[in-house]
Amino acid sequence: GAGVSQTPSNKVTEKGKYVELRCDPISGHTALYWYRQSLGQGPEFLIYFQGTGAADDSGLPNDRFFAVRPEGSVSTLKIQRTERGDSAVYLCASSEGGHGTDTQYFGPGTRLTVL
Amino acid sequence: AQSVAQPEDQVNVAEGNPLTVKCTYSVSGNPYLFWYVQYPNRGLQFLLKYITGDNLVKGSYGFEAEFNKSQTSFHLKKPSALVSDSALYFCAVRDADSGAGSYQLTFGKGTKLSVIP
Repeated sequence: GAGVSQTPSNKVTEKGKYVELRCDPISGHTALYWYRQSLGQGPEFLIYFQGTGAADDSGLPNDRFFAVRPEGSVSTLKIQRTERGDSAVYLCASSEGGHGTDTQYFGPGTRLTVL
Repeated sequence: AQSVAQPEDQVNVAEGNPLTVKCTYSVSGNPYLFWYVQYPNRGLQFLLKYITGDNLVKGSYGFEAEFNKSQTSFHLKKPSALVSDSALYFCAVRDADSGAGSYQLTFGKGTKLSVIP
């Protein structure tokens, strides 16, 4: 079946602009995660949704970052007043449900470049 | 707090030889451990996980990993390396006792595996 998809695959923006990154999870998966991967590093957790609600947003670096999942499926990560340090690959993952043993399946990522 | 260390930035191995990619972890409680592989310009692909039970876990593409609680390690292994195994490998951990509020994974920095023909 279809995996996790993310759009756009690449996004180039200017410092100070607003961006939205979209994630379509695997159909039927109730849990959704956002991670950020900087060059030469492993992914770092940003936020976790169970259904429509953000169950854990402890990884969001500051209040410029916000994510929503209004219908419990597609999620959008929103970044306001982008900074050059926001440049990274943003990865989305989904898993079947609310169990810590569940495997997280990752999408291909969105490469964000802030000029 | 939970953390993962992958002590080798790069591992080189000849095709046909056994390979090992090392991972050690730190959690307050019991660990759930995962290995993922990342090919260039691709997302992470799941290889295998340890939850409980048998310390030797078998996964995709002939990979396996051995959980060692006393050494807090979860090394990835394959008996015979292929050139197509060349990629970036990430170990990840979650504290099983951290409660239902957070299922975040903590990843290592990754190890680049190069299999030489």
